[in-house]
Amino acid sequence: ILNVEQSPQSLHVQEGDSTNFTCSFPSSNFYALHWYRWETAKSPEALFVMTLNGDEKKKGRISATLNTKEGYSYLYIKGSQPEDSATYLCAFRMEGAQKLVFGQGTRLTINP
Amino acid sequence: EAQVTQNPRYLITVTGKKLTVTCSQNMNHEYMSWYRQDPGLGLRQIYYSMNVEVTDKGDVPEGYKVSRKEKRNFPLILESPSPNQTSLYFCASSFQASGRLGETQYFGPGTRLLVL
Repeated sequence: ILNVEQSPQSLHVQEGDSTNFTCSFPSSNFYALHWYRWETAKSPEALFVMTLNGDEKKKGRISATLNTKEGYSYLYIKGSQPEDSATYLCAFRMEGAQKLVFGQGTRLTINP
Repeated sequence: EAQVTQNPRYLITVTGKKLTVTCSQNMNHEYMSWYRQDPGLGLRQIYYSMNVEVTDKGDVPEGYKVSRKEKRNFPLILESPSPNQTSLYFCASSFQASGRLGETQYFGPGTRLLVL
């Protein structure tokens, strides 16, 4: 069974502060790493799909990096805003596999 | 509007009463999948389908059935629901072309099921 771990499980950050959290995944047979943002009472929405070691992707104040050799990805949020409050999910896809394996998520709360 | 729809959104039922949760997508996606979300466990895949008439088990298939008779629809069937199937269910779809990396999954709005 593939193990995809996210840390921390939850995080409280003051508005305006920057933050980051981690997704760890198997370092062998890598195919892709997805990040999703999941707001309460809504469905998960894709943020990034990362496929190459050293990838760095950015969407507004949110960015992500990927290290496939050591099996981790970081998600960064710069200048947190209340609307950033959500659960952030990462999902790993192994080469040759047809499914995504999700981590448990990091629940981020931005305090005004 | 490109979307994945699920019905019903909320359902309360009793043990043993067969039910079907429908899922439909209008993006001509080949790949469709069902997940369940339980507190502390994250999203776990139940079944997936690579294309019409091609389905396979995910990580937690016990107690569920699926079918893929048409490309746009992927219903989830609980033949004899039990209380441990109380959960939040998501359907998702994506393109699945060989050689195409980075297929984003699009999720439906979720179905909250309570089995008494």
